This record gives sequence, structure tokens and C-alpha cells, in this order.
Amino acid sequence: DIQMTQSPSFLSASVGDRIAITCQASQDINNYLNWYQQRPGKAPKLLISDASTLETGVPSRFSAFRSGTNFTFTITSLQPEDVATYYCQQYDHVPRNTFGQGTKLEIK
Amino acid sequence: EVQLVESGGDLVQPGGSLRLSCAASGFTFGNYAMAWVRQAPGKGLEWVSSIDGGGYNTYYADSVRGRFTISRDNSKNTLHLQMNTLRAEDTAVYFCSRGTYRNQWERGNYWGQGALVTVSS
Repeated sequence: DIQMTQSPSFLSASVGDRIAITCQASQDINNYLNWYQQRPGKAPKLLISDASTLETGVPSRFSAFRSGTNFTFTITSLQPEDVATYYCQQYDHVPRNTFGQGTKLEIK
Repeated sequence: EVQLVESGGDLVQPGGSLRLSCAASGFTFGNYAMAWVRQAPGKGLEWVSSIDGGGYNTYYADSVRGRFTISRDNSKNTLHLQMNTLRAEDTAVYFCSRGTYRNQWERGNYWGQGALVTVSS
């Protein structure tokens, strides 16, 4: 099975900061990676698909890119409403989807 | 507007059974693969099972294969998850999710609010 190693597990930053979260795949997964936001007590929300495609309606301060088996998700100019846990999810080996462990983001 | 509404979550004893349902609306149900994704208390997301749009192909995580059965009734726009021989480690919020394509659930474009399943004596 493909393993996804997501880091950091926890992140604390200030409003206006730029933050980055990474996911490393245990093998090549091409661009088959999605990023989700899960606010406390809510369902996940798809933010980015295919490694770097921003979903309709998602603010442009969210972005992501791939470099080999490393995937990076960034938020520029962090906003209070961005407090959430963020997950990556690979689908190279569908149907055996794998999620990363999650990154909990808080505002200082 | 796409809506997914789960029901059937409950407290059940170890070894017991439970059936979750997910009522879908706002889209042509049979055109999309569907999935169940769960989240244990304080833990991350885990893909559990998925089914193609026609209901012909089903897929399971190793942790539930042989105990859980996913199914769908396209005439009633409803997704089900029959859970048997439940274990304490099955305790979680179970989300149903709609995919992007008919054949495989590759990503969750839409999600329900979740149904809590608690397995405890």
C-alpha cells in the first residue's frame, strides 16, 4: 500500500502569515493527490485536486504543487477562518485511497 | 444543490450489526461513484469502502473487508453500509461522500454531515 507521510502534525501561525504543509508519498503517485480542509465538527471540504487544481470557489490564497513524490500545500496570508485540520489524500492506487495523518492549524 | 444526509448511527455492542444509509439529492445519483469514509474520535480520515455508479463494483479497506457491505439503490437515491461483527475500533463518525466520476471514487467533492457509530458494551 502507498503510505502518505504528512508534516507537520500541528502548526501555529499568525494572521497574515504564509504556511506550508507537506505530504510525501512512499512511491510515485503522479499528480493523483487531493487536499482537504476539515473545520472542527464539520465534514471535509475538497480544496485542491490533481496536486494543484484549485476547486471552484476556493480562495486563491490556497495553492499546492508537486515535486516528485513530495507535495506541498500553502496558505498565503492566513485568515482566522482557516483554522482547521488539513489532509492530503492519494488516489493513484484506486480504489485504495490513502489519507495523510492530518495537520492541525491554529491561529496564534 | 447537492445534499447527502446520513442516518442509522447508534450505540451497538461488540459483535453486533448496524446499517447506515445516505440519502442523496440534487444530482443524478447513478452517475457517480460513492464512498464511506470514517473518522475515529480525535483521529484522521480513513477510506472504508466505495462503489461505482451502477453498483456493480464494490471495494473495501482491509480493516472492514468481510464484515462490511456497501450497496446502493439508484431508484431511491440511497447509499447503504451494512456493518456486521462490529468491533470497538469501528467506533467513528461515518461520512458518505460523492465522487467525481462514475467508475471510481477518486476524491470527495461532496460530503454528508456524518453519522456516529459507537461500539461499546
